[in-house]
Amino acid sequence: EADIYQTPRYLVIGTGKKITLECSQTMGHDKMYWYQQDPGMELHLIHYSYGVNSTEKGDLSSESTVSRIRTEHFPLTLESARPSHTSQYLCASSEAGTGGDGQYFGPGTRLTVT
Amino acid sequence: AQKITQTQPGMFVQEKEAVTLDCTYDTSDPSYGLFWYKQPSSGEMIFLIYQGSYDQQNATEGRYSLNFQKARKSANLVISASQLGDSAMYFCAMREGGSARQLTFGSGTQLTVLP
Repeated sequence: EADIYQTPRYLVIGTGKKITLECSQTMGHDKMYWYQQDPGMELHLIHYSYGVNSTEKGDLSSESTVSRIRTEHFPLTLESARPSHTSQYLCASSEAGTGGDGQYFGPGTRLTVT
Repeated sequence: AQKITQTQPGMFVQEKEAVTLDCTYDTSDPSYGLFWYKQPSSGEMIFLIYQGSYDQQNATEGRYSLNFQKARKSANLVISASQLGDSAMYFCAMREGGSARQLTFGSGTQLTVLP
């Protein structure tokens, strides 16, 4: 059973607000990821981290930022939310090794910007 | 070019029947891994099965098996004895390279199991 948590699960917020989506994992995984997913569509990687103080942008350009000050915590921040940010955001983590270690996903945050 | 292609946007299967979900991939890296995930309507992603590029045998996990055809670059998921709870979106994904890198996902297949 994977222990990766995301809060909030659902968020409806007005345009221009600053928001932070929380992601925490208790498995001690070095690698963490943020994906954006529109309903019924594929996942797009927007940020990843290979360890503390390491963050990289993913394949999909995003106006969000991330930080990795602690191994277990990988928050995502939008400084000024816009309707185009409405989507589901999925956080994942994996061990640093290779092979069949799949990524473990959190339950996701469904964001709606009005 | 798409790295992961899932050509079936939607599939229907009768309960207790087997179903195959297609996935083809594109990579020039000799070392890669292929994954299948299930996403129910609740939105979470559930890891199902993994196949490494050097694995000689097809991966199996309970009712799930992966039909790996390396020369054709296909990694189809076979679900045997479908259950109503199998109704979900299914994503194929690939990780390239010998080091642990991020996954690239396909567009998914919506599977509906009929009673």
